[in-house]
Amino acid sequence: DAMVIQNPRYQVTQFGKPVTLSCSQTLNHNVMYWYQQKSSQAPKLLFHYYDKDFNNEADTPDNFQSRRPNTSFCFLDIRSPGLGDAAMYLCATSRGQPNQPQHFGDGTRLSIL
Amino acid sequence: RKEVEQDPGPFNVPEGATVAFNCTYSNSASQSFFWYRQDCRKEPKLLMSVYSSGNEDGRFTAQLNRASQYISLLIRDSKLSDSATYLCVVNKNSNSGYALNFGKGTSLLVTP
Repeated sequence: DAMVIQNPRYQVTQFGKPVTLSCSQTLNHNVMYWYQQKSSQAPKLLFHYYDKDFNNEADTPDNFQSRRPNTSFCFLDIRSPGLGDAAMYLCATSRGQPNQPQHFGDGTRLSIL
Repeated sequence: RKEVEQDPGPFNVPEGATVAFNCTYSNSASQSFFWYRQDCRKEPKLLMSVYSSGNEDGRFTAQLNRASQYISLLIRDSKLSDSATYLCVVNKNSNSGYALNFGKGTSLLVTP
């Protein structure tokens, strides 16, 4: 019954080694979001896609990129992970209308060695 | 001023108690308000939307005060399973209205 699925649940990568996190949805929602959340912090929006339109947050580092090849899938690429990028990465979806909640996947916990 | 502010707590309450959390937001034009619950090392899950007239879902009551720009969550008859972090969520200051700002959350611990 999972509607927003993130893989993997846990990812370990080496400092500087590119890594890709994936998210898929069965809700057919227009919008897919990527958040970064560190311990005791609010989820921080990195960027989102409204259909094929990419919307980057002003303070998202260039190190973070995203791809959305179709409605169901969205990827987060970290080109050169640094130690400060260790965090939980959350994918969410919504209908893209006011007053609509967002639905989250289980998250991917990224560790950097 | 932060866009969404919450008292981080922790709030430690005994089982059966009533507890209330407040949250303030900075954008007077905000239209969408939610409370999410997040368990330790898990994803946020929607608890309830917050409507202008206030709304209730079982033991949970949400209120919106637009004049003072705050939202509240009241939990009655607290259960051990209510222990979690409660995130206040408000739509971002954008034309779209669908992107959301999350507060840092208020931590609740319900004890036997």
